[in-house]
Amino acid sequence: AAGVIQSPRHLIKEKRETATLKCYPIPRHDTVYWYQQGPGQDPQFLISFYEKMQSDKGSIPDRFSAQQFSDYHSELNMSSLELGDSALYFCASSSGQTSTDTQYFGPGTRLTVL
Amino acid sequence: AQKVTQAQTEISVVEKEDVTLDCVYETRDTTYYLFWYKQPPSGELVFLIRRNSFDEQNEISGRYSWNFQKSTSSFNFTITASQVVDSAVYFCALSPSGGSNYKLTFGKGTLLTVNP
Repeated sequence: AAGVIQSPRHLIKEKRETATLKCYPIPRHDTVYWYQQGPGQDPQFLISFYEKMQSDKGSIPDRFSAQQFSDYHSELNMSSLELGDSALYFCASSSGQTSTDTQYFGPGTRLTVL
Repeated sequence: AQKVTQAQTEISVVEKEDVTLDCVYETRDTTYYLFWYKQPPSGELVFLIRRNSFDEQNEISGRYSWNFQKSTSSFNFTITASQVVDSAVYFCALSPSGGSNYKLTFGKGTLLTVNP
């Protein structure tokens, strides 16, 4: 079965640079969630989209923005990167804006900021 | 506000032992969903189970079983006859039901190490 695809899998950036993370949900899934997992931490919710509209927002820095496109893929844009942004970024998808739909996670993008 | 507590930070067992991972949650929602995810050393998050607050039946899937007790706000996970491949961080998570906010709130995770 097709899973959530995230690219790139690994990314190394310098401080103050920008980064773009991409997420391709499971086919026919229309909801995308982004989570950030710091070293040794639990995943923290950043933002979600349903049918290309932002549906919820968590502790996402103003330096970050995201959107969902017409083909349902999503991109997380991160600017003015800081050392503290180094983390594993997960995208998850589900098949609708109801809590009955399980969120399936991608493999994550490991971002390292030097 | 929602909160998930996994009091066991690390557990170490020997292969073939049974092990129970504890999860206690707090929520003001009358309906909600509980989840367990596994994060092996490779880093991905693997979905294991979803349980809704209406269904307090225990569930068994192979060597895995889950005990949901609404009265104590607990959703514990037992691995029977543990194997080395079970070594991972296990997260318990909570999601509200209804409305438009379905983000997962995770516990801090329990690192399970199964030694041969």
